[in-house]
Amino acid sequence: SYVLTQPPSVSVAPGKTARITCGGHNLGSKSVHWYQQKTGQAPVLVIYHDTDRPSGIPERFSGSNSGNTATLTISRVEAGDEADYYCQVWDSSSDHKVFGGGTKVTVL
Amino acid sequence: EVQLVESGGGLVQPGGSLRISCVASGFNFNIYEMNWVRQAPGKGLEWLSYIGSNDISIHYADSVKGRFTISRENAKNSLYLQMSSLRAEDTAVYYCAREADIGPHFDSWGQGTLVTVSS
Repeated sequence: SYVLTQPPSVSVAPGKTARITCGGHNLGSKSVHWYQQKTGQAPVLVIYHDTDRPSGIPERFSGSNSGNTATLTISRVEAGDEADYYCQVWDSSSDHKVFGGGTKVTVL
Repeated sequence: EVQLVESGGGLVQPGGSLRISCVASGFNFNIYEMNWVRQAPGKGLEWLSYIGSNDISIHYADSVKGRFTISRENAKNSLYLQMSSLRAEDTAVYYCAREADIGPHFDSWGQGTLVTVSS
């Protein structure tokens, strides 16, 4: 089955840029989606189809995907961005959705 | 406003069964594909099951295939997950999630219902 790999944690100072990676075999050939989950809350979609933002998501959130790595970038990080972030793809060979293990973003 | 409200979670003994539900509102439930996703305590998200808008297409994760059954009742705007042969490792918060019409990703989630499998 397809595997997505994320770093367990990322720390960033307020106002700086956080980059969260998601690795997978030939990931650039798939559409990657990103979710933010704050403590005790349901996940929220922040990026879909590699680079698109749902309405209501700040422009500070952006995504990219190439080769074996997708990246969620959070610019001008705020305290309210502290959360777990998950990448997700659809594995066409199994018709299963797959999540990465999640990355905890800590704002220093 | 899109709303998904899960219910039916609770404490169940190992080997037991439980059915959880998700009631949708604020959108035309009939035309949307739906999914169940769970999250064990302190762990990440795990996709479990998918059902097409018309019941014909259904998929399961290997971890629950043969034990869990997804279904829907469009007339009641409801999604279900029948769980049997439950194990301690099935303890989790279970979310229903709407698949975006340009998916396959999840554009709306419920607040989740906690299922605890313990004796």
